Amino acid sequence: GENVEQHPSTLSVQEGDSAVIKCTYSDSASNYFPWYKQELGKRPQLIIDIRSNVGEKKDQRIAVTLNKTAKHFSLHITETQPEDSAVYFCAASKASYDKVIFGPGTSLSVIP
Amino acid sequence: NAGVTQTPKFRVLKTGQSMTLLCAQDMNHEYMYWYRQDPGMGLRLIHYSVGEGTTAKGEVPDGYNVSRLKKQNFLLGLESAAPSQTSVYFCASSWTSGSQFFGPGTRLTVL
Repeated sequence: GENVEQHPSTLSVQEGDSAVIKCTYSDSASNYFPWYKQELGKRPQLIIDIRSNVGEKKDQRIAVTLNKTAKHFSLHITETQPEDSAVYFCAASKASYDKVIFGPGTSLSVIP
Repeated sequence: NAGVTQTPKFRVLKTGQSMTLLCAQDMNHEYMYWYRQDPGMGLRLIHYSVGEGTTAKGEVPDGYNVSRLKKQNFLLGLESAAPSQTSVYFCASSWTSGSQFFGPGTRLTVL
């Protein structure tokens, strides 16, 4: 079955710097890659997603890139703010409605 | 719209007891999912459903059963709780081509 790895497990950045989280997946049939943000004690919430027919997608300070050949995708957050501090999960599935396999998460801390 | 709701929010069980967690969504989503979240393990899929009357196994289905008798509800059952089932349980739902919306979670402790 699908396996999703995520690095780093923890990340600390200064406010205003960029943060990058990288994920790899094992199933070449996967074609939907969402990213979720989970603040402490809260539920996960989708922040951005990308499908296999797109190499890059941006939404304000957040961008995701996908390399299908290498089976890896990355989340980029620019101009980080303290409210970006949270756990970020990458995930992969064969369709947006199919079962989604999550990575173990990255705990991001933005230091004011 | 309430979105995705879960009942109860907290529960403490003794080993061997049974319970049912209820998930309800009012967005007319076809797909519903149950996950468990343990520290350092991320979210692991227990069971999911692609429509009323259907269920399928996820990554960690052992010790759990589910039912989807109504489109808006997805029930997760523990027949004989074990300490290894202590976790936070999240329900989620999605439309056929959309992202998953999560409920607030249920914190379960098995003594």
